[in-house]
Amino acid sequence: DTGVSQDPRHKITKRGQNVTFRCDPISEHNRLYWYRQTLGQGPEFLTYFQNEAQLEKSRLLSDRFSAERPKGSFSTLEIQRTEQGDSAMYLCASSLDSSTNYGYTFGSGTRLTVV
Amino acid sequence: KQEVTQIPAALSVPEGENLVLNCSFTDSAIYNLQWFRQDPGKGLTSLLLIQSSQREQTSGRLNASLDKSSGRSTLYIAASQPGDSATYLCAVKEDSNYQLIWGAGTKLIIKP
Repeated sequence: DTGVSQDPRHKITKRGQNVTFRCDPISEHNRLYWYRQTLGQGPEFLTYFQNEAQLEKSRLLSDRFSAERPKGSFSTLEIQRTEQGDSAMYLCASSLDSSTNYGYTFGSGTRLTVV
Repeated sequence: KQEVTQIPAALSVPEGENLVLNCSFTDSAIYNLQWFRQDPGKGLTSLLLIQSSQREQTSGRLNASLDKSSGRSTLYIAASQPGDSATYLCAVKEDSNYQLIWGAGTKLIIKP
């Protein structure tokens, strides 16, 4: 297992277009998280899955954002009708169940630029 | 509401020095605290994870301490090298919350 993988690494899109990002977590990790990070700030929580169930969504995640984790494996994050304010680094992380108190493993992120 | 603060926001030191990065949090009821490193334009690399019952963790030249009662953690870097230049972030996980609460990071520059 090579860790958490995110694809693509970079995405430049025109305002109003839809974009989709993919995250492949560590295979035995049942929890998957999406965060967003803007320059000079710490990451902001977007949403979280336990297996295939999406258990929480941040208020930051507007109706234009949707995330899925079919079959509890990889996850996708889609942004519809992108806006310039969506430009950020989108980070995916995975972990084992929190009862075991393991830390998070992050991917390298997808940098989105909306022009 | 838990808040995490990292001071200073930026730090520049000559190569070879030992240094300490600080992280403070307002609510001592944490599950664990994790230190991460982030290189420019890159994702996050986990450095050290300290459970709430632990006082410190060590990995190579890095040592992280945790004092829950005072709401503080420090990351000690020994014999700093230019390759240590990066932004260092701390994040806490609260007992009742799966989210990580993040500091804004300390940007570290090690001058050759």
